[in-house]
Amino acid sequence: DTEVTQTPKHLVMGMTNKKSLKCEQHMGHRAMYWYKQKAKKPPELMFVYSYEKLSINESVPSRFSPECPNSSLLNLHLHALQPEDSALYLCASRSLASATDTQYFGPGTRLTVL
Amino acid sequence: AQSVTQPDIHITVSEGASLELRCNYSYGATPYLFWYVQSPGQGLQLLLKYFSGDTLVQGIKGFEAEFKRSQSSFNLRKPSVHWSDAAEYFCAPMIYNQGGKLIFGQGTELSVKP
Repeated sequence: DTEVTQTPKHLVMGMTNKKSLKCEQHMGHRAMYWYKQKAKKPPELMFVYSYEKLSINESVPSRFSPECPNSSLLNLHLHALQPEDSALYLCASRSLASATDTQYFGPGTRLTVL
Repeated sequence: AQSVTQPDIHITVSEGASLELRCNYSYGATPYLFWYVQSPGQGLQLLLKYFSGDTLVQGIKGFEAEFKRSQSSFNLRKPSVHWSDAAEYFCAPMIYNQGGKLIFGQGTELSVKP
């Protein structure tokens, strides 16, 4: 099973709202990723967590705040977003085992900021 | 700097025809190489991957890819395209010492004519 789940599937929020995106995997993977994808563009890496610690932040604005409460769960907390933050947010997980060193993606959360 | 090029932004093929999607990468060493497929509004699904060894790799849905070190290429092929193959295809080397970051190409949009 290589399933990564993301909730919610769709989210509409105002610029003053606080919301969170959730990502979950039960494959025992120890690295998890957040990507942002604008329409007709490839995904862009935002954050990497390795063994529940933030290892890479690709200069993402502080209005995006990631959290990894345990090895199965990854959250992305959103606050004071801008309309240009509207995008598909993808989560991925990776096993870190050399034989199966592959990122598996969730279905994404479609975010609209009004 | 690491980069990947998918020279064809959009390709249209007839159902039943063969397909080749091109991918060239620029990297100091041979990276792990991946092809992902994305249907509109969906997450990315892994088609196939190359780590080492046999340079012709088989994937899901009848796809295969060939790694050519001398050309820094990893082209995706399918002998007979089905209408359900219409989607966006991304080539992505993995940069192992940067948290397993995937460097995505711009993508190739495949349309299938009946």
